[in-house]
Amino acid sequence: KNEVEQSPQNLTAQEGEFITINCSYSVGISALHWLQQHPGGGIVSLFMLSSGKKKHGRLIATINIQEKHSSLHITASHPRDSAVYICAVGGAQKLVFGQGTRLTINP
Amino acid sequence: DAGVIQSPRHEVTEMGQEVTLRCKPISGHDYLFWYRQTMMRGLELLIYFNNNVPIDDSGMPEDRFSAKMPNASFSTLKIQPSEPRDSAVYFCATSTGTGDLEQYFGPGTRLTVT
Repeated sequence: KNEVEQSPQNLTAQEGEFITINCSYSVGISALHWLQQHPGGGIVSLFMLSSGKKKHGRLIATINIQEKHSSLHITASHPRDSAVYICAVGGAQKLVFGQGTRLTINP
Repeated sequence: DAGVIQSPRHEVTEMGQEVTLRCKPISGHDYLFWYRQTMMRGLELLIYFNNNVPIDDSGMPEDRFSAKMPNASFSTLKIQPSEPRDSAVYFCATSTGTGDLEQYFGPGTRLTVT
C-alpha cells in the first residue's frame, strides 16, 4: 500500500462546479503539501499545511491530523484549473508524493 | 529572482552515454532536492542537500547515478552510463529550510535515452 493515496485519480467536471480532491496518508508527518502541475510540466506549490485550513483565492486546503486526511477544494472551477494536483507529505524536508489527480474542467 | 534554473530543458541521448543535468538554486535557499518523475512511479526523491552536503541519497536508484553540489549556487546530477529506463523528467527544487518548508521547483529536464 502506498504511503500517500489520492482520490480520485482522474476527475472531469464542468466549469463552475465545486471540486474536491482527497489525500490520505499512513506515515507521521510534519507538513502536507499540495502541488499543481500544469500540462507544460511545471510544478507549483499551492499550499503547505500542518493543521486546520488554508485558503488562497478559489482554492481551499484542509487537513485532519487525527484521521491522516487532507482535502483540496476548488470553488467556481474554471478550465484554467485543469492540471494534475499532487499531494505530498513529509517530516522535516523529505517528501513522499501521491500519484496525483488529473483534473479536467470543460467549458 | 529567476527561480530555480535547470539545464538542459530537454536531453536526448543514446544508451551508454553520460548525461549531466544541472541546477542553479534560488539564492539563499539552503536545501536542494533532486526528483525524478515517471508515468509509472510518479515523483520520487532521489537525493537532497543541506548547505551543499548530501543528507539523504537513499532514493538514488543505483551506482550509475551521482549528484554533487560543489557550492551554494550549483548542483549536478550525473548518470553514467545511461539506460532507456532512466528516461524521465528530472526536477530540481529548493527551499529555505527554516520555518516555511515550501519547496520551489525548477522547470525540469526531460531526459530521453534511446
